[in-house]
Formats: sequence, structure tokens, C-alpha cells
Amino acid sequence: NFMLTQPHSVSESPGKTVTISCTRSSGSIASNYVQWYQQRPGSAPTTVIYEDNQRPSGVPDRFSGSIDSSSNSASLTISGLKTEDEADYYCQSYDSSNHGVFGGGTKLTVL
Amino acid sequence: EVQLVQSGAEVKKPGESLKISCKGSGYSFTSYWIGWVRQMPGKGLEWMGIIYPGDSDTRYSPSFQGQVTISADKSISTAYLQWSSLKASDTAMYYCARLSGLGLTGHFDYWGQGTLVTVSS
Repeated sequence: NFMLTQPHSVSESPGKTVTISCTRSSGSIASNYVQWYQQRPGSAPTTVIYEDNQRPSGVPDRFSGSIDSSSNSASLTISGLKTEDEADYYCQSYDSSNHGVFGGGTKLTVL
Repeated sequence: EVQLVQSGAEVKKPGESLKISCKGSGYSFTSYWIGWVRQMPGKGLEWMGIIYPGDSDTRYSPSFQGQVTISADKSISTAYLQWSSLKASDTAMYYCARLSGLGLTGHFDYWGQGTLVTVSS
């Protein structure tokens, strides 16, 4: 099986842009779609990006996703940071047996 | 409106059994996979397994195979997660979530509110 590795934490100022990475340990990042979930303290997760770069309705276009085969990683970029974006973010994909795998999560601090 | 409503918090002793539930409404319950996700205290999300209520096809993550049982009763639009003998390490928040229409490799588009399970002697 593979792992999805995320930075433990990132921080940035309001109005700036932050990028969270998610590196796949083995196998191609492009072999299965990557999702990104946001989890605010005390709440259930919600989807902010699915299928690598698709935004659910209601998610602002400040959120974008991409994959990079050269680094075998996916990225979540949040522009025009707002204090309400402060949360934990998890990437997720699937292995060859269609079992889901989550990254360890990244705590985003907007200060 | 799609909703997944989970059963309430549980406090159990090691060795006891438990079954928690997740009731779906606002959509065709038999047409979408339902998954279970564990979140241990202060930790990240873990994908446990999924079930297709239409025919009860169930898939488990290798880490959870044999540790829990996922089931569903389509007549009452409810999915279940159960343990036969709880351990202290089962203490966690458990979320159910609906997989989007991309089959069993979609994204979780709707989530339950979570069920906190505490196992302590």
C-alpha cells in the first residue's frame, strides 16, 4: 500500500496564498483521483476539492487543486486567505484495491 | 435535502459489544455507497470501509478487516458499524459519509455528524 504525506502545519496571513502538499509514497499520483477535505474544530469534514481539481458547489473559487506527476504529489491552494479558512485539511485517494487512504492532515493557521 | 444522522455518543467497557447507526434520508439510500471513517482523539481521519446498501457489498480497509463489521438495513435506510469486543483503543469519533456517484472511488459528499465512542473501564 502507499502513504499520503502532508506537512503537519502551515501558517499564513489573511489575504495571502497558501499551498498544502500531499505526496504519494508509491504508485502514480495520477492513477486515482485526489480529494481534499476541510475539517473545522468540532465539526465533521467537508469536501473542498474532488477529482483532483473540482470544486463542489458552494466552495469559493479561492480553493483550487492540482496534481504534479514530476513530484508525485497533489496540492491544495487557497488564495485570499480568510480567518474562516483556519482548519485541518486532509487529502485522500485510493489504492489499487479501491481502499481509501487519507493523508495525515495539515493544520492551517491564518494569523 | 440529503442527510445522514448518526446515533448518539456511547460509553462502554472493554470487552462489550456495540453497534452504532447512520440513517440516510433525502436520496435513494440503496444507490450510493456509505463509508465509515475513524478519528481517534487529536488524530487524523482513517478510512475504515464502505457498504453498498443495494446489495450489501462491503469492502474493508486492511487495517480494519476483522476488527469491525459494517452492515446495512435498506428497509430503514440505515447503515451500521459494530464491534463484538471493544478495546480502549477503539475510543474515537466515528463518521459515516456518502460516497458520490462515482462508484466506490468517489468522494464523500455528505457526512454524518459523528458518533463519539468512549471505551473505558
